Amino acid sequence: GAVVSQHPSWVICKSGTSVKIECRSLDFQATTMFWYRQFPKQSLMLMATSNEGSKATYEQGVEKDKFLINHASLTLSTLTVTSAHPEDSSFYICSARDLREGPISSNQPQHFGDGTRLSIL
Amino acid sequence: KQEVTQIPAALSVPEGENLVLNCSFTDSAIYNLQWFRQDPGKGLTSLLLIQSSQREQTSGRLNASLDKSSGRSTLYIAASQPGDSATYLCAVSPRPKAQKLVFGQGTRLTINP
Repeated sequence: GAVVSQHPSWVICKSGTSVKIECRSLDFQATTMFWYRQFPKQSLMLMATSNEGSKATYEQGVEKDKFLINHASLTLSTLTVTSAHPEDSSFYICSARDLREGPISSNQPQHFGDGTRLSIL
Repeated sequence: KQEVTQIPAALSVPEGENLVLNCSFTDSAIYNLQWFRQDPGKGLTSLLLIQSSQREQTSGRLNASLDKSSGRSTLYIAASQPGDSATYLCAVSPRPKAQKLVFGQGTRLTINP
């Protein structure tokens, strides 16, 4: 089955630090990956859609300069939280769609990573 | 704007019981509805996906139904086990932007031995 790997799984850092989170599709190619954010006991909220070879599409209210997304290859997308502050502490999850499962509009599921817990002190 | 609601927010039942989790959505224009399981501090595991043209899907002890016209879905778990304890999330894939999944807040399920 399609496997998505996230790294790191947990990171603790000081306020003002920039943190990079990686999302890799291990056994398939993905032109599109998605980044979600989840606060404790709340639902997942889509932050942005990462497109291979082009700019990411951000959801309303998500700061582009704060959350930098790079999708340089068909198997890797990165999310960088720049100048992180305590309010950025959250659980970040990525997902990806397998190219072989059809176009983006088709009825095929996204495959999710295990998430990254970010704690900013 | 599509909104997804899950009731109850938390549920605790004895082992062996059958149970139903509920999910409702406000806009019936969807491609599909998916049920996920999330263990504490972990990502999502897809359990069942129901296409908009389908009424139900089954996998083992799990059965999910979809009534698109009324904006409702249920996840039925038969003969519950302690290992079923987790948070269950439903999500819809809205038309026309199928990839922008809209999630409910989840139901935190505890199965007591």
